[in-house]
Amino acid sequence: DQQVKQNSPSLSVQEGRISILNCDYTNSMFDYFLWYKKYPAEGPTFLISISSIKDKNEDGRFTVFLNKSAKHLSLHIVPSQPGDSAVYFCAAKGSGAGSYQLTFGKGTKLSVIP
Amino acid sequence: GAGVSQTPSNKVTEKGKYVELRCDPISGHTALYWYRQSLGQGPEFLIYFQGTGAADDSGLPNDRFFAVRPEGSVSTLKIQRTERGDSAVYLCASSLTASTLYNEQFFGPGTRLTVL
Repeated sequence: DQQVKQNSPSLSVQEGRISILNCDYTNSMFDYFLWYKKYPAEGPTFLISISSIKDKNEDGRFTVFLNKSAKHLSLHIVPSQPGDSAVYFCAAKGSGAGSYQLTFGKGTKLSVIP
Repeated sequence: GAGVSQTPSNKVTEKGKYVELRCDPISGHTALYWYRQSLGQGPEFLIYFQGTGAADDSGLPNDRFFAVRPEGSVSTLKIQRTERGDSAVYLCASSLTASTLYNEQFFGPGTRLTVL
């Protein structure tokens, strides 16, 4: 039973355009959400996060939107660059017992075409 | 500053053998986590240490898996009687502390385990 779902295994975007990666979750106890970026043969690196008390968080070219009622979040990358090509994981944490555990989606492989 | 390091980067073993995977967390980080990433999946939680003790080992798949962190720094994940289904990338992460929701976990590059 997957609690964090990334339904698009892959996404191709032209350089300079917007990349939108989507994530859905089912556990209403989650209240902190993170995006990690992973290059081959490297560990995931933290990209951006959002608390459930917010609906938007922005950091440079990266913006994460959270829709709590729909249990949906998305990562926007504008403008997309070839170096953004990687696998992006959505992850979630709760605030109760086990709040240190990250629950990950399966990932979306982003390819930015020059 | 050094990040999380893991050794070996690759490990090939035969079914039934014993393996040890090592993790060196970021200096000063008291919390340490092990995750396992199977092909086509996201990382899945295995075990969490706060200091020397395993605070939560609920993610370990069975009693063939065991992890230690005797001095509150380096951790070793031990797998007995390996099976082909154990083949995966084993990721270690550390954070300054685990006591708040917003602690960022820093991941190592992982150890790719292949059981033949």
